[in-house]
Amino acid sequence: DGGITQSPKYLFRKEGQNVTLSCEQNLNHDAMYWYRQDPGQGLRLIYYSQIVNDFQKGDIAEGYSVSREKKESFPLTVTSAQKNPTAFYLCASSIGWGVDNEQFFGPGTRLTVL
Amino acid sequence: SQQGEEDPQALSIQEGENATMNCSYKTSINNLQWYRQNSGRGLVHLILIRSNEREKHSGRLRVTLDTSKKSSSLLITASRAADTASYFCATARGSSASKIIFGSGTRLSIRP
Repeated sequence: DGGITQSPKYLFRKEGQNVTLSCEQNLNHDAMYWYRQDPGQGLRLIYYSQIVNDFQKGDIAEGYSVSREKKESFPLTVTSAQKNPTAFYLCASSIGWGVDNEQFFGPGTRLTVL
Repeated sequence: SQQGEEDPQALSIQEGENATMNCSYKTSINNLQWYRQNSGRGLVHLILIRSNEREKHSGRLRVTLDTSKKSSSLLITASRAADTASYFCATARGSSASKIIFGSGTRLSIRP
């Protein structure tokens, strides 16, 4: 999992609550990403950030929000507007924004809605 | 729909045998990457092959790319128990990382 950490490992949420997933990297990477993974599925991009103080919506941004106030941190908030939030969430970073850059992944957070 | 689709969805082989996984895609790509994911963990980058390359090696891994058939294969030689994982291909359609699409993966099990 290298120099990128996610917390918590497991998270339980009641319906109607917002929760925030933490993602921190000490790799000095400019770009950071949030993905969602459902059982037996590939990864889908939620939000991405090319550089600090900038972020863009990915393919499934509805019901999620992010911030990038510090280069090393990219927290994801799952809001009550996300209708089916139970999933495995993966944060990643890369040194640059180009497609040739390897992405380094955190260990993931498993979110369960009760 | 997913850009990259792996085949087979699941593969079980004896330790020591070779494992071959395939990835097909629909549109032209800049590069194709393979990642490994151990159960309940994050993904680990294995290898990247560019659209103008046909074959790449890294240790026991061999990746081929056939752009005319829009397909790639990942070969793991002399498999080990530690190779048990899911393997994903990721295709890059444009120049930005937001255009990287992950397939649904092949679950590889190595029997001792």
